Amino acid sequence: AQSVTQLGSHVSVSEGALVLLRCNYSSSVPPYLFWYVQYPNQGLQLLLKYTSAATLVKGINGFEAEFKKSETSFHLTKPSAHMSDAAEYFCAVSDQGYSTLTFGKGTMLLVSP
Amino acid sequence: DGGITQSPKYLFRKEGQNVTLSCEQNLNHDAMYWYRQDPGQGLRLIYYSQIVNDFQKGDIAEGYSVSREKKESFPLTVTSAQKNPTAFYLCASNGGRAGDTQYFGPGTRLTVL
Repeated sequence: AQSVTQLGSHVSVSEGALVLLRCNYSSSVPPYLFWYVQYPNQGLQLLLKYTSAATLVKGINGFEAEFKKSETSFHLTKPSAHMSDAAEYFCAVSDQGYSTLTFGKGTMLLVSP
Repeated sequence: DGGITQSPKYLFRKEGQNVTLSCEQNLNHDAMYWYRQDPGQGLRLIYYSQIVNDFQKGDIAEGYSVSREKKESFPLTVTSAQKNPTAFYLCASNGGRAGDTQYFGPGTRLTVL
């Protein structure tokens, strides 16, 4: 079964610093990969997704992620954190041929002034 | 506006009672999903449906039931057999094809007293 590992349940950065949230998946075949953001007591919002068109994927709010097959990784980055980026971030994977998603446990991003 | 609605936002029930959570979408999506979210656990799939009158168990279906009588609606019943029902429940939908983005509702927080 597919699995997703997000390293670090909490990540703290200062406003203006680089954001790096890590995601590794287990599939041997390149899957579809997603990053979602969740604000407290709300649903999930798609940040970006990888569907094999390009290895560097740009999303909303200045986020981007790079698919690295050799490392089975799909890390999320943003050059400069903003206070409004404080939220929980989830990486998810879908195998080829399936519409269901397997989620990581999430990483809470804390942004300090 | 197209989207997914879940009601109610907050729900309180006594132990031993069944409770039904509502999920409606007007996105004309074929597939719908129910997830359970617990702190530090990510999202876990309860049930999903890819077509009207058909549904499949997810990873944690025990103690839950669903129906899909209409394309727009996918209600979830939390039965008294669910040992620990207090959680945040999220509904999602998509076109049902591999790689399709799942769109999420705002969630229902269920507390069993």
